Amino acid sequence: GQQLNQSPQSMFIQEGEDVSMNCTSSSIFNTWLWYKQDPGEGPVLLIALYKAGELTSNGRLTAQFGITRKDSFLNISASIPSDVGIYFCAGQLKEYGNKLVFGAGTILRVKS
Amino acid sequence: GAVVSQHPSRVICKSGTSVKIECRSLDFQATTMFWYRQFPKQSLMLMATSNEGSKATYEQGVEKDKFLINHASLTLSTLTVTSAHPEDSSFYICSAKGGANYGYTFGSGTRLTVV
Repeated sequence: GQQLNQSPQSMFIQEGEDVSMNCTSSSIFNTWLWYKQDPGEGPVLLIALYKAGELTSNGRLTAQFGITRKDSFLNISASIPSDVGIYFCAGQLKEYGNKLVFGAGTILRVKS
Repeated sequence: GAVVSQHPSRVICKSGTSVKIECRSLDFQATTMFWYRQFPKQSLMLMATSNEGSKATYEQGVEKDKFLINHASLTLSTLTVTSAHPEDSSFYICSAKGGANYGYTFGSGTRLTVV
C-alpha cells in the first residue's frame, strides 16, 4: 500500500530547542495532516494543510505542504515538556477516497 | 470544535467473549467513520471504513466476521470484537469525518485486554 516515510523516528532534545520532523512520499497527496498522540489517548489534530505550498502556524507549531504535494514538514519552536508525545503525519490520497495514510510517527522526548 | 466520544476507554474481557466499542460524533454528523488498531509504539493501522447505512469496507487481512462494524446512524458506529482472544488485545481508535468541509476527528481510544 501507499507509504509515508516519516523521520526522524525519535528525538530527545533539550527544553527550549526547536524541533523539525518531516514526511515524504512517492505519491501526490490532496491533504496533509499533523497529529499528536499522548500515551493512552487518540491522536489530536495539530495542523491541516490543503494546498501545495501552504504554510500554516498554530502557536509554536508551523507546518508546510510541499510544492510537489509529496512531502510536508512540522516545526516546533522553543520546545517545552508538554510537547512530549508521538507526532504523526497523515495524508489523504484522491484515489483512496476518504482514507488516511499514516506515517510511522516521531517520538519526541524533552529534557528539562 | 468537532468532538468524537469513544467508549469504553478500557476493557478487560475473558477469552471467547465479545466486546463492543462505541464511537459517537457529538456535534456533527459523520458521513464516514474509520476504525484503527494500534500496537505499542507503532502507527495506526486502518481496519475498516464504514458509511452510515451501508456495509463496512474492510482492509486486506482484517476478518470481517471477527470485527463486526455497525454504522446505524450518522452519529454512531460500533465495533464488536467477537470471540476475543489474547492476540486481539490492542488499542482500538475510531475516527469520524463529516462532509467535505470537515476534517477527521479521533476518539480517545479503547484499550482492550483479553485474558
